[in-house]
Amino acid sequence: GAVVSQHPSRVICKSGTSVKIECRSLDFQATTMFWYRQFPKQSLMLMATSNEGSKATYEQGVEKDKFLINHASLTLSTLTVTSAHPEDSSFYICSAEPGQGFYGYTFGSGTRLTVV
Amino acid sequence: ELKVEQNPLFLSMQEGKNYTIYCNYSTTSDRLYWYRQDPGKSLESLFVLLSNGAVKQEGRLMASLDTKARLSTLHITAAVHDLSATYFCAVDHTGTASKLTFGTGTRLQVTL
Repeated sequence: GAVVSQHPSRVICKSGTSVKIECRSLDFQATTMFWYRQFPKQSLMLMATSNEGSKATYEQGVEKDKFLINHASLTLSTLTVTSAHPEDSSFYICSAEPGQGFYGYTFGSGTRLTVV
Repeated sequence: ELKVEQNPLFLSMQEGKNYTIYCNYSTTSDRLYWYRQDPGKSLESLFVLLSNGAVKQEGRLMASLDTKARLSTLHITAAVHDLSATYFCAVDHTGTASKLTFGTGTRLQVTL
């Protein structure tokens, strides 16, 4: 089946530093990937839609300059949290829809970000 | 704006009992998904419902979709402890750009 690989699974960083999270589609090409954030005991909130070769589409209220998204190839999207602060601590999950007869969305394993 | 509501938010049930989780959504959509999330983990796909009247079953779980009522249900039969998790429904936006809106989630606790 379609697999989305996400790294790292867990990261701790200091306030003011930047953190990059990678999301790879392993056995399919993904022109579109999705980035979600999940706070403890809450649902998933879509942050942005990553589009291969073009700018990402951000949801209302998500700071583009803070959450930089790059989708440079058909199998890789990255999310960089810039100048991280403790309030950015969260569980970040990427997703893609394999399409072509595969129905549904496949999710990465998630990245637990802790900013200290 | 598409809104997706689940109820109940929390469900504690004894092993062997039956129960149903409800998922209501606010605008037209023909694609609805159910996911399971264990603590500290990502999402596991349970069901993909693509048309009105769709019903799918896997083990003790059965999901259905009524697009006219904008309602999906996840029915649990003879619950076992291993089913303890948080369950999310998610609705795909009908239109040119696919994206999911998630329900609030239902935390299920199955007790002995």
